[in-house]
Amino acid sequence: GAGVSQTPSNKVTEKGKYVELRCDPISGHTALYWYRQSLGQGPEFLIYFQGTGAADDSGLPNDRFFAVRPEGSVSTLKIQRTERGDSAVYLCASSLTGLTNPGETQYFGPGTRLLVL
Amino acid sequence: SQKIEQNSEALNIQEGKTATLTCNYTNYSPAYLQWYRQDPGRGPVFLLLIRENEKEKRKERLKVTFDTTLKQSLFHITASQPADSATYLCALDPTGTASKLTFGTGTRLQVTL
Repeated sequence: GAGVSQTPSNKVTEKGKYVELRCDPISGHTALYWYRQSLGQGPEFLIYFQGTGAADDSGLPNDRFFAVRPEGSVSTLKIQRTERGDSAVYLCASSLTGLTNPGETQYFGPGTRLLVL
Repeated sequence: SQKIEQNSEALNIQEGKTATLTCNYTNYSPAYLQWYRQDPGRGPVFLLLIRENEKEKRKERLKVTFDTTLKQSLFHITASQPADSATYLCALDPTGTASKLTFGTGTRLQVTL
């Protein structure tokens, strides 16, 4: 596609529910990143995929958060037993290789605004 | 602890003036630093990258400096325009592997007529 797309654009859920957030990266990009951005803050790294595998998941806050990328393109971020503190904008980004290539540009999607009531 | 600090207060300047935004970091030794622009309701958009061995980088009306001794980067927009109004984020890669970015909190720039 022309850019990174994310769906849904907005998601309202109740505390304790399960949510899935989807990211479609730029076609051909092997690296995919998830970030979380709270109001007034910069994006915070969650997880990075190189192809189908999670190369770095050190930013996931706890085991309620999980992400997959089964075919090396679309990725889904899954949040179980949502809490009010999970409310934020979840951003996805992709880059061409993600390998040790200092400064490779990451292209961000518009984000999914998650509100947990 | 590791920190990236940007002015949390909004910067208000008049059209035509030069805007200067600051990014300070502590306890990092980044190989490069990036600047992004973010508009409300949108994801960040990459603007410029500067490497540790570069003192200055320019792109059209944008200029970035990088002082690894002071651990500071300055981002300048010359001849600013109302369309430059946005939040500007600095980011660095703490691992040097391009696997993730650590962002500052961003500074909101408002350019008025």
